[in-house]
Amino acid sequence: EDKVVQSPLSLVVHEGDTVTLNCSYEVTNFRSLLWYKQEKKAPTFLFMLTSSGIEKKSGRLSSILDKKELFSILNITATQTGDSAVYLCAGPFNAGGTSYGKLTFGQGTILTVHP
Amino acid sequence: GAVVSQHPSRVICKSGTSVKIECRSLDFQATTMFWYRQFPKQSLMLMATSNEGSKATYEQGVEKDKFLINHASLTLSTLTVTSAHPEDSSFYICSARDAAGGTDTQYFGPGTRLTVL
Repeated sequence: EDKVVQSPLSLVVHEGDTVTLNCSYEVTNFRSLLWYKQEKKAPTFLFMLTSSGIEKKSGRLSSILDKKELFSILNITATQTGDSAVYLCAGPFNAGGTSYGKLTFGQGTILTVHP
Repeated sequence: GAVVSQHPSRVICKSGTSVKIECRSLDFQATTMFWYRQFPKQSLMLMATSNEGSKATYEQGVEKDKFLINHASLTLSTLTVTSAHPEDSSFYICSARDAAGGTDTQYFGPGTRLTVL
């Protein structure tokens, strides 16, 4: 069974701090790894990672994938209170049959950024 | 990034009525869409996989006659909550799968808050 594990489960920091969120996975058929940010509404897409070692960046957020060690990290630099959210890691690992594209989610990391 | 819309964003209805929620992928074709529900402070729970042109695949414990799914085109899937009851009150979210050009990403709609009185 595919498995995604995120750590830490929660994190409290102050504005300006840098945080690193972790995501490890065990899968039968890797296709891509996805990061989302969820505030008090539906998840918003952050990154899609398919290749090892290639960093994706968007402003203060960046992410990288290691397919050999089966993990990914999401970095947020100079955190702001608006970064407070649940960060979800997921993958459409099972590409076959009736589960085509179905996402397997990690538990999420609750990030709280204090002023 | 790609855009997925949902309509309505919020609906309040009386017990026993049916409610239809639409999910549209606005700038890509989605052969597969997914329907989730989420209760407060809980994680997303997948209800069903909606495949264009074929029957939806429901997760265990989800009543297919209660939650009717239709995926009539490559950009539209609908979820109808039939004979809604207060326990169906929840946040319903769809996602659309973009698997073009070797990618495999899902984009979520903004969600529909259903309140059944």
